[in-house]
Amino acid sequence: NAGVTQTPKFQVLKTGQSMTLQCAQDMNHEYMSWYRQDPGMGLRLIHYSVGAGITDQGEVPNGYNVSRSTTEDFPLRLLSAAPSQTSVYFCASSFGAGVSTDTQYFGPGTRLTVL
Amino acid sequence: AQKITQTQPGMFVQEKEAVTLDCTYDTSDPSYGLFWYKQPSSGEMIFLIYQGSYDQQNATEGRYSLNFQKARKSANLVISASQLGDSAMYFCAMREGRGGGSQGNLIFGKGTKLSVKP
Repeated sequence: NAGVTQTPKFQVLKTGQSMTLQCAQDMNHEYMSWYRQDPGMGLRLIHYSVGAGITDQGEVPNGYNVSRSTTEDFPLRLLSAAPSQTSVYFCASSFGAGVSTDTQYFGPGTRLTVL
Repeated sequence: AQKITQTQPGMFVQEKEAVTLDCTYDTSDPSYGLFWYKQPSSGEMIFLIYQGSYDQQNATEGRYSLNFQKARKSANLVISASQLGDSAMYFCAMREGRGGGSQGNLIFGKGTKLSVKP
């Protein structure tokens, strides 16, 4: 049981490049989300999904796309990377589709640098 | 307005002493959950403890307890008998119920950096 996995762990991009951050969970969780963590800002929600085929925007969605074709996978796409997207990215999942009692479990994070 | 406020950017505590990390929250939803996460220097987010808005008793998990004062909208984390390994960032977070404006997403405070001195 791997929990929430993320790849890659580290990535360096040039401005304008595109890439996909991978996230997978093996706990049959309905709810999945992506956060970015910047110094002094805590974690901010980028996009989330309450189930396969359903996604929605969070607090800071600009510059990112997501899709949820299966329960297990929730990739985050950067279409044209910008230096402002330099951050640590976390994927998280929980059982419930937004129920207040469900604990979210986090992946190990991806450290992205955009030059 | 911030939904989760952690007023202590950094704190020091002597090893083996207890420490309280402050967290206040703002919501009009009667159903919500409060969570504390630990982030050591290695970067992963580790779930510590959960308190539900309808829970009558304060949550406890080993050396961690949550001092939940609903009327004051505070959910302070208490770590007893601090250890060197407790040095980390600590984040308070809230998840409102389906009726909440955040649609059940987790909202984080900015964190408190705890340093345990030997």
